[in-house]
Amino acid sequence: AQSVTQLDSQVPVFEEAPVELRCNYSSSVSVYLFWYVQYPNQGLQLLLKYLSGSTLVKGINGFEAEFNKSQTSFHLRKPSVHISDTAEYFCAVTGSSNTGKLIFGQGTTLQVKP
Amino acid sequence: GAVVSQHPSWVICKSGTSVKIECRSLDFQATTMFWYRQFPKQSLMLMATSNEGSKATYEQGVEKDKFLINHASLTLSTLTVTSAHPEDSSFYICSASRRDGYTFGSGTRLTVV
Repeated sequence: AQSVTQLDSQVPVFEEAPVELRCNYSSSVSVYLFWYVQYPNQGLQLLLKYLSGSTLVKGINGFEAEFNKSQTSFHLRKPSVHISDTAEYFCAVTGSSNTGKLIFGQGTTLQVKP
Repeated sequence: GAVVSQHPSWVICKSGTSVKIECRSLDFQATTMFWYRQFPKQSLMLMATSNEGSKATYEQGVEKDKFLINHASLTLSTLTVTSAHPEDSSFYICSASRRDGYTFGSGTRLTVV
């Protein structure tokens, strides 16, 4: 079974500052990892995903994440945030088949201040 | 891109009535559909996994008779909340698995009064 821990429940940051949202996972098998963003009362939008290959993954809206197998981490980063990035961010993991159950972390609220 | 259409987006019902939520894959075939529940300011909790043409697999602690899932075709999966009570009020989201990942519906806000 897989599990995901998002280490920060809330991350306040000023506009144009860099941000890192932390995610650690646990699994006994190879994993696929995802980051999603959720705006209030909406579904989830995929930011980026790691399936295989390069450990540095670039996504939409200037986000990127690095898969670190030795540290079992998949932290999300953005060099300069905007007010519009204020939202809930979820890290998720699934096992070696990417059509299996997707398990979510607790979520991190990113609050971008002007 | 792949789209999953979820309806209704919000619904208010009286306690004791049943509510059906639909998820349709518009431009692809969804062999597997996942149903999640999300409480305010919390994460998504997997309720069940449905495969086209077979019975759904429910997660531990989820009442099968309360949350009826039907996946009768490759493009439609439904979740029926039977005899709804206020504690069933929540945000419900479906997700279809595809070879390159997952596509989520826009969610349904259910309020039971």
